[in-house]
Amino acid sequence: DVKVTQSSRYLVKRTGEKVFLECVQDMDHENMFWYRQDPGLGLRLIYFSYDVKMKEKGDIPEGYSVSREKKERFSLILESASTNQTSMYLCASLPAIQERTGDEQYFGPGTRLTVT
Amino acid sequence: AQSVTQPDIHITVSEGASLELRCNYSYGATPYLFWYVQSPGQGLQLLLKYFSGDTLVQGIKGFEAEFKRSQSSFNLRKPSVHWSDAAEYFCAVDISGGYQKVTFGIGTKLQVIP
Repeated sequence: DVKVTQSSRYLVKRTGEKVFLECVQDMDHENMFWYRQDPGLGLRLIYFSYDVKMKEKGDIPEGYSVSREKKERFSLILESASTNQTSMYLCASLPAIQERTGDEQYFGPGTRLTVT
Repeated sequence: AQSVTQPDIHITVSEGASLELRCNYSYGATPYLFWYVQSPGQGLQLLLKYFSGDTLVQGIKGFEAEFKRSQSSFNLRKPSVHWSDAAEYFCAVDISGGYQKVTFGIGTKLQVIP
């Protein structure tokens, strides 16, 4: 089974801090994604990466950056955390198109970030 | 831009009753369509998906969904709900056809009462 792990389930940070959220997948997937999930808004794509060192902005990239130095790891960075970034953050991975049996993404359990 | 509408934010059903969760999308062509479930404190798990072919698709946990092109809908159904089905359900569409840049609906929270 594919396993996607996120470094923390719960995180509390102060306004202005630099925050790193880590995601690791163990199935050699090419594609990785970061979403935030808010009540009444569903999941919104922040950034995704289709290869090492490659990234593309999603729908709401403002205030975030990402890093993908190794294939298995995709980091989300909040350069200066703000209270409006309090949310649930979900990471997902997806194999390269030629390796797929389906097209579903595999999700991690999420990190609930609170910025005070 | 594509969009996904889940008109019901909360639904309550009795255990053993049938269930239908609605999903509509707006896009000119037929996208890839998905239903995911999220149990409390968990990530999302795929229930079922539609790419092409038979418009009635079967998924895990006894769920099925029917794609209706004329209505731009992809409603999720289950004939008899179990208490363990209480969760949040997300409909999603993908028009990227490759990198799966997916748009999710806002979710429907299902409560099951005994």
